[in-house]
Amino acid sequence: AQTVTQSQPEMSVQEAETVTLSCTYDTSESDYYLFWYKQPPSRQMILVIRQEAYKQQNATENRFSVNFQKAAKSFSLKISDSQLGDAAMYFCAYNAGNMLTFGGGTRLMVKP
Amino acid sequence: SQTIHQWPATLVQPVGSPLSLECTVEGTSNPNLYWYRQAAGRGLQLLFYSVGIGQISSEVPQNLSASRPQDRQFILSSKKLLLSDSGFYLCAWGDTRGQPQHFGDGTRLSIL
Repeated sequence: AQTVTQSQPEMSVQEAETVTLSCTYDTSESDYYLFWYKQPPSRQMILVIRQEAYKQQNATENRFSVNFQKAAKSFSLKISDSQLGDAAMYFCAYNAGNMLTFGGGTRLMVKP
Repeated sequence: SQTIHQWPATLVQPVGSPLSLECTVEGTSNPNLYWYRQAAGRGLQLLFYSVGIGQISSEVPQNLSASRPQDRQFILSSKKLLLSDSGFYLCAWGDTRGQPQHFGDGTRLSIL
């Protein structure tokens, strides 16, 4: 069974600085997809970024980028120029079929 | 564009009472539908998913059941709620493998 691990329960970053959230996963598949979701205090689940495993190029969405290391099964999220609105729970997720497998989440705090 | 509606937003129920949470999707046909539960400060646990009308797969044994009476309607039910059923319930839809799931706004369920 696939597992997704987020080893940092909490992280904090100073406003305008950069932070990296870690995610590792375990799978025997070669074709799969990875996602980062943001869950602010409102508890909505918001897609942040998506990565296809067959693509070597790391996905980027504005201030959000990933470092995808397929051999190491690592999928970290980098947030540049952190803003107060980035404070939220962040979930890494894995998909190889009909279902998503989520990590336990990282709570990101942003200090003004 | 596709939208997902989930209600009610908040529900307080006594132990032993029945439950019905409803989720509907608009703007797409034959979506995959999902029910998740999230304990406070924790990750998402998949409860049920459905790939078509009347087709329900259960991921964990529990006091809850799900039904899909129409293509874009997904219902989470219980005949008798337990204290342990308290939590935040999220409905989601997805279509093609590898595409992200899209979430409703969630239902906060408190059992007294």
